[in-house]
Amino acid sequence: GQSLEQPSEVTAVEGAIVQINCTYQTSGFYGLSWYQQHDGGAPTFLSYNALDGLEETGRFSSFLSRSDSYGYLLLQELQMKDSASYFCAVRFGGYQKVTFGTGTKLQVIP
Amino acid sequence: DTEVTQTPKHLVMGMTNKKSLKCEQHMGHRAMYWYKQKAKKPPELMFVYSYEKLSINESVPSRFSPECPNSSLLNLHLHALQPEDSALYLCASSQGNRDRGLDEQFFGPGTRLTVL
Repeated sequence: GQSLEQPSEVTAVEGAIVQINCTYQTSGFYGLSWYQQHDGGAPTFLSYNALDGLEETGRFSSFLSRSDSYGYLLLQELQMKDSASYFCAVRFGGYQKVTFGTGTKLQVIP
Repeated sequence: DTEVTQTPKHLVMGMTNKKSLKCEQHMGHRAMYWYKQKAKKPPELMFVYSYEKLSINESVPSRFSPECPNSSLLNLHLHALQPEDSALYLCASSQGNRDRGLDEQFFGPGTRLTVL
């Protein structure tokens, strides 16, 4: 089956940089996405890697290495509003099957 | 309009009740999804409709019955649920890309379901 493992919790200081890792034991997927979910809210899309390498979107960057079965989300210039849960997710082609990672709860402290 | 709407926001039902959850999008998306999310857990895929056809059923119990009346609407019919079915039910939609490109999912706010 597919499994995507993330650290359960991360704490970081406002203004700092934090990296959230996603290691997976699956293959044949089309791309790795990242979603943010605030408590009581819906997941919202942050970033997508179809190919290996780094993708940058404002303060957020995401990285994928298929050879290492590993990806990460990098958040720079952390703000208090970045406190949320972050999920990696893989999409398999054809029938739109999507599997989410275990999720990381990020707490940003002053 | 980049919004997915879901009704109701909250639902409390008994184990013998029949109820339905509704989801709507007007982005022209051709893939629609139902997810179940328990507290502090990731969304768990239940069903996918692709071009109005059920393409994925993740071995969901038959007490959950999805329906896609048209490309904008998605329903989830509930019958004889168990207390362990209490969760946040999320609907999502995407363009339905079948290549390696981005197929961003847009999520609705969810229905918080409590089964007594």
